[in-house]
Amino acid sequence: DIVMTQTPLSLSVTPGQPASISCKSSQSLLHSDGKTYLYWYLQKPGQPPQVLIYEVSNRFSGVPERFSGSGSGTDFTLKISRVEAEDVGVYYCMQSIQLPRTFGQGTKVEIK
Amino acid sequence: EVQLVESGGGLVKPGESLRLSCAAAGFTFSKAWMTWVRQGPGKGLEWVGRIRSKSDGGTTDYAAFVKGRFIISRDDSQNTVYLQMTSLKSEDTAVYYCVSSWTAPWGQGTLVTVSS
Repeated sequence: DIVMTQTPLSLSVTPGQPASISCKSSQSLLHSDGKTYLYWYLQKPGQPPQVLIYEVSNRFSGVPERFSGSGSGTDFTLKISRVEAEDVGVYYCMQSIQLPRTFGQGTKVEIK
Repeated sequence: EVQLVESGGGLVKPGESLRLSCAAAGFTFSKAWMTWVRQGPGKGLEWVGRIRSKSDGGTTDYAAFVKGRFIISRDDSQNTVYLQMTSLKSEDTAVYYCVSSWTAPWGQGTLVTVSS
């Protein structure tokens, strides 16, 4: 199985400040079709996960521009340029290149 | 707009069975590969399994922990996917979500509690 490792596991951020979450996979997520199957989700308290970023760096429709994804191969990063109060929750990375699909442990983001 | 509504969760004893349903709307269900993901209390997300569309064979894949205990099926006439769970264990306690696509909204999930 591909192991997805997120760091840090928790983050306390002052509103308006940037935040960054790392996700490393145990195998390359680059598919032979040229796409890299790495997603980022945010699970707000009491809600199901919602997609933020797909295929490493594509912001999903309606996701604020302050969210960006980058990386390649096995190393990926989610950045929030200026954290807002509504960004609290748990962030997960996920790979969909291989079965079983696997998720990172989650990074809990709270506001200071 | 994609809508997924899971149902069928509840409290069962270890060793018992339960069937979850996921009613879908807002997309062409018959073409979708449907997935189940679960989340234990206070825990992370765990992929359970998936079923391909009938046109892609309708076959299934499962996580290793399922070990023949769970079966995913679909009824395209009802736009519904099912998760039949047998020999339930306490560690199967979780909210179970169905997913139509990794970029589509998830349902609210249905809670399964396995406890004596």
